[in-house]
Amino acid sequence: QVQLQESGPGLVKPSQTLSLTCTVSGGSISSGGYYWSWIRQHPGKGLEWIGYIYYSGSTYYNPSLKSRVTISVDTSKNQFSLKLSSVTAADTAVYYCARAGKLSGAFDIWGQGTMVTVSS
Amino acid sequence: QSALTQPASVSGSPGQSITISCTGTSSDVGGYNYVSWYQQHPGKAPKLMIYEVSNRPSGVSNRFSGSKSGNTASLTISGLQAEDEADYYCSSYTSSSTQWVFGGGTKLTVL
Repeated sequence: QVQLQESGPGLVKPSQTLSLTCTVSGGSISSGGYYWSWIRQHPGKGLEWIGYIYYSGSTYYNPSLKSRVTISVDTSKNQFSLKLSSVTAADTAVYYCARAGKLSGAFDIWGQGTMVTVSS
Repeated sequence: QSALTQPASVSGSPGQSITISCTGTSSDVGGYNYVSWYQQHPGKAPKLMIYEVSNRPSGVSNRFSGSKSGNTASLTISGLQAEDEADYYCSSYTSSSTQWVFGGGTKLTVL
Protein backbone atom coordinates (compact mmCIF):
# COMPACT_ATOMS: atom_id res chain seq x y z
CA GLN A 1 0.00 0.00 0.00
CA VAL A 2 1.14 3.53 -0.71
CA GLN A 3 2.94 5.33 2.09
CA LEU A 4 4.31 8.85 2.31
CA GLN A 5 7.23 10.03 4.44
CA GLU A 6 8.36 13.62 4.96
CA SER A 7 11.98 14.50 5.59
CA GLY A 8 13.93 17.69 6.10
CA PRO A 9 15.33 20.04 8.74
CA GLY A 10 13.25 20.60 11.84
CA LEU A 11 14.73 24.04 12.46
CA VAL A 12 15.03 26.86 9.95
CA LYS A 13 16.31 30.39 10.56
CA PRO A 14 14.13 33.41 9.77
CA SER A 15 14.45 34.70 6.19
CA GLN A 16 15.86 31.37 5.02
CA THR A 17 14.21 28.74 2.84
CA LEU A 18 12.33 25.79 4.29
CA SER A 19 12.94 22.63 2.26
CA LEU A 20 11.08 19.37 2.70
CA THR A 21 10.89 16.17 0.68
CA CYS A 22 8.15 13.57 0.57
CA THR A 23 9.13 10.05 -0.43
CA VAL A 24 6.42 7.87 -1.88
CA SER A 25 6.67 4.11 -1.37
CA GLY A 26 4.40 1.27 -2.42
CA GLY A 27 3.28 3.04 -5.57
CA SER A 28 4.49 5.29 -8.36
CA ILE A 29 4.03 9.05 -8.51
CA SER A 30 3.98 8.65 -12.30
CA SER A 31 0.95 6.39 -12.31
CA GLY A 32 -1.31 9.42 -12.64
CA GLY A 33 -4.69 10.08 -11.14
CA TYR A 34 -3.42 11.89 -8.10
CA TYR A 35 -2.28 15.30 -6.96
CA TRP A 36 0.70 15.24 -4.62
CA SER A 37 0.09 17.86 -2.00
CA TRP A 38 1.58 19.76 0.91
CA ILE A 39 -0.59 20.79 3.84
CA ARG A 40 0.47 22.44 7.09
CA GLN A 41 -0.97 22.79 10.55
CA HIS A 42 0.08 25.58 12.89
CA PRO A 43 0.42 24.51 16.53
CA GLY A 44 -3.02 23.93 18.00
CA LYS A 45 -4.69 25.18 14.82
CA GLY A 46 -6.46 23.89 11.76
CA LEU A 47 -5.21 22.65 8.40
CA GLU A 48 -3.96 24.87 5.58
CA TRP A 49 -3.51 23.62 2.02
CA ILE A 50 -0.20 24.84 0.59
CA GLY A 51 -0.30 23.45 -2.93
CA TYR A 52 0.02 20.40 -5.11
CA ILE A 53 1.86 18.99 -8.08
CA TYR A 54 0.85 16.46 -10.72
CA TYR A 55 3.41 13.95 -11.94
CA SER A 56 3.67 15.89 -15.20
CA GLY A 57 4.95 18.87 -13.23
CA SER A 58 1.80 20.98 -13.26
CA THR A 59 1.44 22.90 -10.02
CA TYR A 60 -1.18 24.88 -8.16
CA TYR A 61 -0.50 26.93 -5.07
CA ASN A 62 -2.53 28.58 -2.35
CA PRO A 63 -2.58 32.26 -3.39
CA SER A 64 -1.74 33.32 0.16
CA LEU A 65 1.63 31.53 -0.15
CA LYS A 66 2.15 31.51 -3.89
CA SER A 67 4.91 34.13 -3.98
CA ARG A 68 7.05 32.04 -1.63
CA VAL A 69 6.22 28.44 -2.56
CA THR A 70 7.75 26.04 -5.05
CA ILE A 71 6.69 22.40 -5.32
CA SER A 72 8.67 20.10 -7.56
CA VAL A 73 8.65 16.41 -8.44
CA ASP A 74 11.41 13.88 -9.11
CA THR A 75 9.74 10.89 -10.67
CA SER A 76 13.03 8.97 -10.85
CA LYS A 77 13.25 9.06 -7.06
CA ASN A 78 9.49 8.86 -6.54
CA GLN A 79 9.66 12.04 -4.48
CA PHE A 80 8.15 15.48 -4.46
CA SER A 81 9.44 18.49 -2.60
CA LEU A 82 8.40 21.75 -0.99
CA LYS A 83 10.40 24.94 -0.81
CA LEU A 84 9.07 27.90 1.16
CA SER A 85 11.23 31.00 1.01
CA SER A 86 11.67 33.97 3.34
CA VAL A 87 10.23 32.12 6.31
CA THR A 88 9.15 33.79 9.52
CA ALA A 89 7.92 32.50 12.87
CA ALA A 90 4.45 32.37 11.32
CA ASP A 91 5.64 29.47 9.17
CA THR A 92 6.29 27.32 12.24
CA ALA A 93 3.99 24.34 11.78
CA VAL A 94 3.67 20.64 11.21
CA TYR A 95 4.04 20.02 7.49
CA TYR A 96 2.25 17.06 5.92
CA CYS A 97 2.56 15.61 2.47
CA ALA A 98 -0.59 13.98 1.19
CA ARG A 99 -2.06 12.32 -1.87
CA ALA A 100 -5.29 13.70 -3.31
CA GLY A 101 -7.45 11.84 -5.78
CA LYS A 102 -7.77 13.79 -9.02
CA LEU A 103 -11.42 12.81 -9.29
CA SER A 104 -12.45 12.70 -5.64
CA GLY A 105 -10.42 15.67 -4.47
CA ALA A 106 -9.95 13.94 -1.15
CA PHE A 107 -6.62 13.64 0.65
CA ASP A 108 -6.67 9.88 1.09
CA ILE A 109 -3.10 9.16 2.17
CA TRP A 110 -1.01 11.33 4.50
CA GLY A 111 2.53 11.28 5.72
CA GLN A 112 3.11 11.29 9.46
CA GLY A 113 3.99 14.97 9.39
CA THR A 114 7.16 16.81 10.30
CA MET A 115 7.43 19.72 12.72
CA VAL A 116 9.33 22.70 11.37
CA THR A 117 10.28 25.51 13.72
CA VAL A 118 11.42 28.88 12.43
CA SER A 119 13.77 30.42 14.96
CA SER A 120 17.18 31.99 15.14
CA GLN B 1 -10.32 32.60 10.06
CA SER B 2 -11.09 29.38 8.17
CA ALA B 3 -13.03 29.41 4.93
CA LEU B 4 -15.46 26.74 6.17
CA THR B 5 -17.25 27.12 9.50
CA GLN B 6 -17.43 24.26 11.99
CA PRO B 7 -18.52 24.27 15.63
CA ALA B 8 -15.52 24.38 17.93
CA SER B 9 -16.70 21.42 19.96
CA VAL B 10 -19.38 18.78 20.24
CA SER B 11 -19.87 16.04 22.76
CA GLY B 12 -21.89 12.91 23.25
CA SER B 13 -22.14 9.81 25.39
CA PRO B 14 -21.14 6.35 24.26
CA GLY B 15 -23.78 4.83 22.02
CA GLN B 16 -25.31 8.17 21.10
CA SER B 17 -25.18 9.90 17.72
CA ILE B 18 -23.67 13.30 17.02
CA THR B 19 -23.57 15.52 13.96
CA ILE B 20 -20.86 18.01 13.02
CA SER B 21 -21.76 20.75 10.57
CA CYS B 22 -19.54 22.44 8.00
CA THR B 23 -20.89 25.63 6.48
CA GLY B 24 -19.48 27.24 3.38
CA THR B 25 -20.85 29.08 0.38
CA SER B 26 -22.14 28.35 -3.09
CA SER B 27 -18.53 28.67 -4.27
CA ASP B 28 -17.41 25.66 -2.30
CA VAL B 29 -19.63 23.31 -0.28
CA GLY B 30 -22.83 24.32 -2.03
CA GLY B 31 -21.40 24.26 -5.50
CA TYR B 32 -19.52 20.99 -5.62
CA ASN B 33 -19.76 17.46 -4.29
CA TYR B 34 -16.10 17.48 -3.33
CA VAL B 35 -16.60 17.64 0.42
CA SER B 36 -14.45 15.39 2.55
CA TRP B 37 -14.06 14.77 6.29
CA TYR B 38 -10.94 13.93 8.30
CA GLN B 39 -10.39 12.53 11.78
CA GLN B 40 -7.26 13.56 13.66
CA HIS B 41 -6.13 12.11 16.95
CA PRO B 42 -3.59 14.10 19.02
CA GLY B 43 -0.13 13.96 17.53
CA LYS B 44 -1.30 11.98 14.52
CA ALA B 45 -1.89 12.76 10.87
CA PRO B 46 -5.44 13.32 9.67
CA LYS B 47 -7.31 10.28 8.35
CA LEU B 48 -9.85 10.42 5.55
CA MET B 49 -13.29 9.36 6.80
CA ILE B 50 -15.68 10.61 4.10
CA TYR B 51 -15.13 11.78 0.53
CA GLU B 52 -17.39 13.25 -2.14
CA VAL B 53 -19.92 14.24 0.53
CA SER B 54 -21.07 10.77 1.54
CA ASN B 55 -18.64 8.06 0.42
CA ARG B 56 -16.66 6.02 2.93
CA PRO B 57 -13.17 4.77 2.08
CA SER B 58 -12.55 1.08 2.53
CA GLY B 59 -11.94 0.28 6.18
CA VAL B 60 -13.89 3.18 7.65
CA SER B 61 -16.70 2.14 9.96
CA ASN B 62 -20.25 2.50 8.65
CA ARG B 63 -20.98 4.40 11.86
CA PHE B 64 -19.61 7.40 9.98
CA SER B 65 -21.84 9.03 7.38
CA GLY B 66 -21.89 12.28 5.45
CA SER B 67 -24.52 14.44 3.81
CA LYS B 68 -25.03 17.89 2.37
CA SER B 69 -27.86 20.37 2.15
CA GLY B 70 -27.29 23.65 0.39
CA ASN B 71 -24.11 25.25 1.63
CA THR B 72 -23.82 23.02 4.69
CA ALA B 73 -22.26 19.58 4.87
CA SER B 74 -22.62 17.29 7.86
CA LEU B 75 -20.75 14.38 9.39
CA THR B 76 -22.78 12.05 11.57
CA ILE B 77 -21.24 9.50 13.89
CA SER B 78 -23.63 6.94 15.29
CA GLY B 79 -23.05 4.56 18.16
CA LEU B 80 -20.34 6.79 19.64
CA GLN B 81 -17.28 5.00 20.96
CA ALA B 82 -14.44 6.27 23.12
CA GLU B 83 -12.05 5.89 20.19
CA ASP B 84 -14.06 8.43 18.20
CA GLU B 85 -12.82 11.21 20.48
CA ALA B 86 -10.69 13.33 18.16
CA ASP B 87 -10.64 16.49 16.08
CA TYR B 88 -12.67 16.45 12.87
CA TYR B 89 -12.05 18.65 9.84
CA CYS B 90 -14.12 19.20 6.73
CA SER B 91 -12.64 20.20 3.40
CA SER B 92 -14.08 21.32 0.09
CA TYR B 93 -13.02 22.24 -3.37
CA THR B 94 -13.65 25.91 -4.04
CA SER B 95 -13.96 27.86 -7.25
CA SER B 96 -11.94 30.64 -5.67
CA SER B 97 -8.24 30.82 -6.40
CA THR B 98 -7.52 28.98 -3.15
CA GLN B 99 -8.93 25.79 -4.71
CA TRP B 100 -8.97 23.67 -1.51
CA VAL B 101 -10.25 24.94 1.84
CA PHE B 102 -10.60 23.40 5.27
CA GLY B 103 -12.87 24.04 8.19
CA GLY B 104 -11.44 25.19 11.49
CA GLY B 105 -11.97 21.80 13.08
CA THR B 106 -14.34 20.40 15.70
CA LYS B 107 -13.21 18.71 18.88
CA LEU B 108 -15.40 15.71 19.67
CA THR B 109 -15.53 14.67 23.29
CA VAL B 110 -17.01 11.32 24.23
CA LEU B 111 -18.37 11.77 27.74
